[in-house]
This record gives sequence, structure tokens and C-alpha cells, in this order.
Amino acid sequence: DTEVTQTPKHLVMGMTNKKSLKCEQHMGHRAMYWYKQKAKKPPELMFVYSYEKLSINESVPSRFSPECPNSSLLNLHLHALQPEDSALYLCASSQDWLAGAATPSQYFGPGTRLLVL
Amino acid sequence: AQSVSQHNHHVILSEAASLELGCNYSYGGTVNLFWYVQYPGQHLQLLLKYFSGDPLVKGIKGFEAEFIKSKFSFNLRKPSVQWSDTAEYFCAERGGYQKVTFGTGTKLQVIP
Repeated sequence: DTEVTQTPKHLVMGMTNKKSLKCEQHMGHRAMYWYKQKAKKPPELMFVYSYEKLSINESVPSRFSPECPNSSLLNLHLHALQPEDSALYLCASSQDWLAGAATPSQYFGPGTRLLVL
Repeated sequence: AQSVSQHNHHVILSEAASLELGCNYSYGGTVNLFWYVQYPGQHLQLLLKYFSGDPLVKGIKGFEAEFIKSKFSFNLRKPSVQWSDTAEYFCAERGGYQKVTFGTGTKLQVIP
């Protein structure tokens, strides 16, 4: 199974809502990532989890709150978002970078397309 | 700060034409380079990657890329494109521990 799944596929939320994005993989990967991709732009790294611990936060606003409850799951909790946060949110996973492999390949999910009204 | 440049934003080719997409990277440390493809409505997939050794890297679906250190380049090539190669192509590099930076992408349109 080389699949990363993400739910929901689409999400529309108001600025006062609280919602969560979910990501799951069963490849035994111990590194998981959240990226944000705006239209016609490349993916931009938001967070990296390594062995269920947050290892990188790319100065993301606190209205985005990641969570890694176990080695297969990664959540992104959303609260009080702004319209400019509308984007495609991508989850990815890979072997951990400490595992000895040169930069491990990342496997991407299909993304959640978020619209903030 | 590291950066990845893809100078071709939109490329249109006829089927059977040869393809070369440019990518220049800036990171001066240990080089780890990637090409990803995103077919319409699908998720990002790894085409190929370079870490060390033979600078000519073979990937899936007939793609290859050549690492030229002196030019800081990692161009993607395919001798003969097909309509099914229509997609967006992203070059990426590792710039630091656990960080991969993507270029702005090149949209390839192949006309039957």
C-alpha cells in the first residue's frame, strides 16, 4: 500500500468555524508533512512531524494547529481562518530522514481543497 | 535562502516531440534533487531523484534528468512525448533537514 489518503476532499468553512483535515498512511513512514498549495503556485511546507513529534513549523499562524496522534495519522486543526487561507492542503509522508537513506522520497496525498468564506 | 527556478511556465508540444524542462537550484550543500509530476486531477508523484553518482538519472515513464553541477542545473528530458504526459512538472531540492523546496512548476500541454 503506497497510498496517502486525505479527508475531506473539499471543505468550505466560515471564518468562525472550527474544522479538521485528516491524513492517513500505512507505509510505516515515520515522517509526515503538511503543505499548502495556492493556485498556480508550488507546494509550500507548513509542518513536519518526525516520530510523532513536531520537528518543523515554518512560521505558520496559530490558526493552523497540527496534531499527530499516532504514526499513521496526521491532522490539521483549523480555527478562525481567513479567506486568504483558501488553498489545496497536501499531506505527504516519507521514511524518516534519520533512517540512513539520502533524502527519502515523499508520497503525497490528493489534497483537501479548502475554501474559506 | 535556497531557491529552485523553473523558467518555462507553460510548454506546448506536439506528440512525438522531444521535451526538455529547465531547472536551476541554488543550494550549495549536499545536493538532493527531484522531479515531481502532477497529472490533471491527481496528486503529486515522484518521477525521479538524484543524490549522487551517475549524473544522468532515469525515472519512470521514459523520463530522465541530467545533473550538471557547474551549471546548478537538473533538466528533465524525454525523447518523445505523448498526450498522456500533459501535466504540471515540479523540480524540487532538499535545502536542509526535512525541508524540500519546490520550483514554481511548468505546465506541459501535449497536442495529439
